[in-house]
Amino acid sequence: NAGVTQTPKFRVLKTGQSMTLLCAQDMNHEYMYWYRQDPGMGLRLIHYSVGEGTTAKGEVPDGYNVSRLKKQNFLLGLESAAPSQTSVYFCASSYSLNPDTEAFFGQGTRLTVV
Amino acid sequence: SQKIEQNSEALNIQEGKTATLTCNYTNYSPAYLQWYRQDPGRGPVFLLLIRENEKEKRKERLKVTFDTTLKQSLFHITASQPADSATYLCALNSGGYQKVTFGTGTKLQVIP
Repeated sequence: NAGVTQTPKFRVLKTGQSMTLLCAQDMNHEYMYWYRQDPGMGLRLIHYSVGEGTTAKGEVPDGYNVSRLKKQNFLLGLESAAPSQTSVYFCASSYSLNPDTEAFFGQGTRLTVV
Repeated sequence: SQKIEQNSEALNIQEGKTATLTCNYTNYSPAYLQWYRQDPGRGPVFLLLIRENEKEKRKERLKVTFDTTLKQSLFHITASQPADSATYLCALNSGGYQKVTFGTGTKLQVIP
């Protein structure tokens, strides 16, 4: 049982390049989330999804797009990377939006934009 | 605006002692408070949740308190071990994971 798996683990992009981060979960969770974690700041929600085919904006959505074509996968896209998007990105999933239930996080993707 | 404060300085403690980490918040009335553990290069791992109407929650060597009057949560690890060394995050939630606010975390170092 792998839980939440993110690919890739590391990536270096040049300014203006695009890329897609993949998150896969095998727990049949309806809810999935993308966060970014920066030094001196708490995890911040970028986008989230409440089910297959649905997505919604979080706290810091600008510059990112997401898609949830399959229940087990949640993709985060950067169309034109900027140095300000240098960060560690975490995907998470949960059985419910209710925080009574546990959220499971992936191991993270360290992205550097030069 | 909502603000969560965790001690940004690392906490060093001798093995076997009780570690106490603090999470303070302002301009917030959370219904839930969660604590996570995060190891270097890894994602956060959920440890405990406490609700606003609960004063204390325990799980093995872990204890969490929640004082909504002081706007503070304390996270205790008793009989600390070097394996407990990690960064601990608190997260406040007023309803739904899409509204959770994370603290910056406190790094705990347990010295053998």
